[in-house]
Amino acid sequence: KNQVEQSPQSLIILEGKNCTLQCNYTVSPFSNLRWYKQDTGRGPVSLTIMTFSENTKSNGRYTATLDADTKQSSLHITASQLSDSASYICVVSKTPQVSGGSNYKLTFGKGTLLTVNP
Amino acid sequence: KAGVTQTPRYLIKTRGQQVTLSCSPISGHRSVSWYQQTPGQGLQFLFEYFSETQRNKGNFPGRFSGRQFSNSRSEMNVSTLELGDSALYLCASVYGTGVYNEQFFGPGTRLTVL
Repeated sequence: KNQVEQSPQSLIILEGKNCTLQCNYTVSPFSNLRWYKQDTGRGPVSLTIMTFSENTKSNGRYTATLDADTKQSSLHITASQLSDSASYICVVSKTPQVSGGSNYKLTFGKGTLLTVNP
Repeated sequence: KAGVTQTPRYLIKTRGQQVTLSCSPISGHRSVSWYQQTPGQGLQFLFEYFSETQRNKGNFPGRFSGRQFSNSRSEMNVSTLELGDSALYLCASVYGTGVYNEQFFGPGTRLTVL
């Protein structure tokens, strides 16, 4: 069964500290992995996307890593800010997403709720 | 460029009623996907439309249906509402091709079934 497991479920850190969120998946065949940030009351916003051949990708203070052999990914947040408080969702794609073409199937993790306190 | 818009933003219904939610994708995007998000299950795929055709469907009962119009706007309908249908319903429009195909989510419609 295709699954995406995220840990921890929730995390509280102090402003300025770093943190790392984990994502393990069993989706196969693997196409790509995305991290989304979802603020309360809003839709998810894409942070990074990585394919099989990419080990790391950064977006400002966000750095995602991928180990396709162990089927693990992590999202590292550096020097956290209050605005980082949100849910972070890991999404794994089973087949390439092709608009106007073949089907695609995404498996979503349940997310990690991050709270950054002053 | 305007983002994905969803209407209404909030909705309260009672069991047995039906509801229609609307989504307008980003101009030029032809693919729209719908998702249900609940605290217990997270995001779950409902269906995907491309050029007025349903291209993919998730594992939801037939009470959930959708359609897409020629201007790419999409609607989803839930009939005979149940308490468990209370959720945030998200619409996403898709841009690009290949593995870097990007989904842009709308703000969602919060449906509460009483």
